[in-house]
Amino acid sequence: GENVEQHPSTLSVQEGDSAVIKCTYSDSASNYFPWYKQELGKGPQLIIDIRSNVGEKKDQRIAVTLNKTAKHFSLHITETQPEDSAVYFCAAKGEDAGGTSYGKLTFGQGTILTVHP
Amino acid sequence: SQTIHQWPATLVQPVGSPLSLECTVEGTSNPNLYWYRQAAGRGLQLLFYSVGIGQISSEVPQNLSASRPQDRQFILSSKKLLLSDSGFYLCAWSVLGALNSPLHFGNGTRLTVT
Repeated sequence: GENVEQHPSTLSVQEGDSAVIKCTYSDSASNYFPWYKQELGKGPQLIIDIRSNVGEKKDQRIAVTLNKTAKHFSLHITETQPEDSAVYFCAAKGEDAGGTSYGKLTFGQGTILTVHP
Repeated sequence: SQTIHQWPATLVQPVGSPLSLECTVEGTSNPNLYWYRQAAGRGLQLLFYSVGIGQISSEVPQNLSASRPQDRQFILSSKKLLLSDSGFYLCAWSVLGALNSPLHFGNGTRLTVT
């Protein structure tokens, strides 16, 4: 099955700096890569996603890049703010199974991002 | 717009007691539904998923079960809780039939088994 590795496990930056979180995946058939942000005591919220036919996607201060050959993808946050502090999860989704439109989403272990004012 | 509700938000139960966590989705029809468990604030483990009423698939063997009595209702249960069942339980939904539909999570239930 799919295996997703996420690094670093913790990341501390100063306000205004950039933050980069990297993930690798094992299943070359995976074709969808979302990123989630989880604040304390809440469920994860989707912040950006990328599909395998795209190499880069940007949404204001966040961007995701995908290298399918190397099987890795990264989240980039520029001009970080204290409210960016949270746990970030990457995930990878493989092919749908049996025509049920369910494709298992495998999550990385998360990165605790702390942005210091 | 679509919303997902989970309750209760927190729960403390003694070992051996039963469990019932409920999740409902509004604003969409025929969603895929999921139960995840998150231990120690990290790592999301898929427990169950459902592609329709009465259709439940289990990802890992465990002390828990799931049911989907209605299209937008998903219930996580146990007959007798174990200490190891403590954790943060998250319900999620995605669009059935849509390629690479993202997961939308509820705000979770913090379960402590004492």
